[in-house]
Amino acid sequence: KNQVEQSPQSLIILEGKNCTLQCNYTVSPFSNLRWYKQDTGRGPVSLTIMTFSENTKSNGRYTATLDADTKQSSLHITASQLSDSASYICVVSAPAASKLTFGTGTRLQVTL
Amino acid sequence: KAGVTQTPRYLIKTRGQQVTLSCSPISGHRSVSWYQQTPGQGLQFLFEYFSETQRNKGNFPGRFSGRQFSNSRSEMNVSTLELGDSALYLCASSLNFYTPQDTQYFGPGTRLTVL
Repeated sequence: KNQVEQSPQSLIILEGKNCTLQCNYTVSPFSNLRWYKQDTGRGPVSLTIMTFSENTKSNGRYTATLDADTKQSSLHITASQLSDSASYICVVSAPAASKLTFGTGTRLQVTL
Repeated sequence: KAGVTQTPRYLIKTRGQQVTLSCSPISGHRSVSWYQQTPGQGLQFLFEYFSETQRNKGNFPGRFSGRQFSNSRSEMNVSTLELGDSALYLCASSLNFYTPQDTQYFGPGTRLTVL
């Protein structure tokens, strides 16, 4: 069964600190992996997308890494800001259209 | 360009009732997908519509149905509501028939509470 597991489930960090969120998946075959940011009361917004051959993708202070051999991905947030408080969802795609497997997300809270 | 809009934003119903949710995609987008989001299960795919035809369907009972109109607007219907249907229902649009390389743009969702 295709699964995407994210850790930690929740995280609290101080503003300005860095943090790393983890995503492990068992989806096969694999097409790509996305990280989404979902603010409270809003729909998810795509941060990064990586295919099988890509190891790293950055979007501002967000850097995603992918190890397709171990089926692991991480999202690193640098110099966190209060606006980074949100849920971060890892989504893995199989090649077939609309075959998306979503993780349950990591809830990040950035505090003063 | 306006984003994906969903109406209503909040809805309270009782068990056994039915509900219709509406989604207007980004102008020019022809594909609309629907998702259910709950704290325990995360996001789960309901169905996708493209050119007024359902192209893909997730593992949900027949009580969940949808349709798409010629202007690409889509509606989702849930009949005989159950307590477990309480969730955030999200729709997402993409330019064409969705492939993994495409970016889906999500609406803000409709929060459905079933009492």
